[in-house]
Amino acid sequence: ETGVTQTPRHLVMGMTNKKSLKCEQHLGHNAMYWYKQSAKKPLELMFVYNFKEQTENNSVPSRFSPECPNSSHLFLHLHTLQPEDSALYLCASRPVRGTDLTNYGYTFGSGTRLTVV
Amino acid sequence: EDQVTQSPEALRLQEGESSSLNCSYTVSGLRGLFWYRQDPGKGPEFLFTLYSAGEEKEKERLKATLTKKESFLHITAPKPEDSATYLCAVQASPSGTYKYIFGTGTRLKVLA
Repeated sequence: ETGVTQTPRHLVMGMTNKKSLKCEQHLGHNAMYWYKQSAKKPLELMFVYNFKEQTENNSVPSRFSPECPNSSHLFLHLHTLQPEDSALYLCASRPVRGTDLTNYGYTFGSGTRLTVV
Repeated sequence: EDQVTQSPEALRLQEGESSSLNCSYTVSGLRGLFWYRQDPGKGPEFLFTLYSAGEEKEKERLKATLTKKESFLHITAPKPEDSATYLCAVQASPSGTYKYIFGTGTRLKVLA
């Protein structure tokens, strides 16, 4: 365990379903991230939360909706997804001091393998 | 355009056969270069951060180095358990904003 826990590990959903991915960390980190990892592509940053506030939305379609109720939990709500959204969704966290992104590496969870059918 | 390129895409080594992985980058305002290891079915695991040209860091059989244009991850006498995908990422700060850019990785297979 890395300290960042993601559930579920695997998810199969139809295009009309609504589901949520959950991420939890108790590392005391104040920044949390959603990344998408597809085969043979670089990790794609989706959303950034600093101190529970969303600071970045990387042009992600509205069928993905993030929620950060506190600095330890992060959700990704999914609805009316497309087959091309099938991928590994990774949550990450790292410490942030003020507005200066100190150069700590991310701590990643193990990801949710999402398949849209 | 800011870019991170890793080579080779895949590498097969015999146990004990040392080699290097490359990460070349073109970014504005480099704030750090990061190496990660990713095992199948898992998220990336942080290995090293390098901040300036000439810097080196080591961890067991791995040694990371940084120049102004690229970074190398040297693997000395690898073992089968070193088999994984190695990802490189750079954090850049053009115009006061922060960007974190990943490469596509090098898949390493070490044969016993």
